[in-house]
Amino acid sequence: DSGVTQTPKHLITATGQRVTLRCSPRSGDLSVYWYQQSLDQGLQFLIQYYNGEERAKGNILERFSAQQFPDLHSELNLSSLELGDSALYFCASSFGGAGAQETQYFGPGTRLLVL
Amino acid sequence: DAKTTQPPSMDCAEGRAANLPCNHSTISGNEYVYWYRQIHSQGPQYIIHGLKNNETNEMASLIITEDRKSSTLILPHATLRDTAVYYCIVRVGGSNYKLTFGKGTLLTVNP
Repeated sequence: DSGVTQTPKHLITATGQRVTLRCSPRSGDLSVYWYQQSLDQGLQFLIQYYNGEERAKGNILERFSAQQFPDLHSELNLSSLELGDSALYFCASSFGGAGAQETQYFGPGTRLLVL
Repeated sequence: DAKTTQPPSMDCAEGRAANLPCNHSTISGNEYVYWYRQIHSQGPQYIIHGLKNNETNEMASLIITEDRKSSTLILPHATLRDTAVYYCIVRVGGSNYKLTFGKGTLLTVNP
């Protein structure tokens, strides 16, 4: 158990809909990262928040957005969903915001299926 | 980040040591080698990381060659639960924020 929690574990929805994925980082961690894992693309970094502020962006679509709240939990919002958005979405956390020594610990993921 | 090369798959007998190689010939002086594993669609699990010295923790040992162009992750006594995809990742120091996962090595531990 990494200490990172994600809800829900599974999500089934229809194209065009909007969903929200939630992540609670490990106690004391200030950074939250979101990753997407699809069959054809592998694990890809989406976005990072550090202490409530966006720190870095990766291959995140404009239809996707995220935020980190004062209690440091984070939400990833996916809108206008398409079939291709079906994937595993992982959240990771680390104590600091950057640096090669900042080990990221991953949550169990949310499996999204868009029908 | 430096690119890594790993074999796509490996087999290991239960109870034996599993040695997983990784080539990172373009690694720079301030880049760390990280190892994660992913067991069947679970969240990636951190294993170990190092810069230039060999490292050991309760899960594994990391051996980095003197020229730092390759490394080996060693699981000393593999169990069936160690069957997973193992990712070798090189991260630059400083402001690097993301982990760049390749395809990794599927390690299958056989009874």
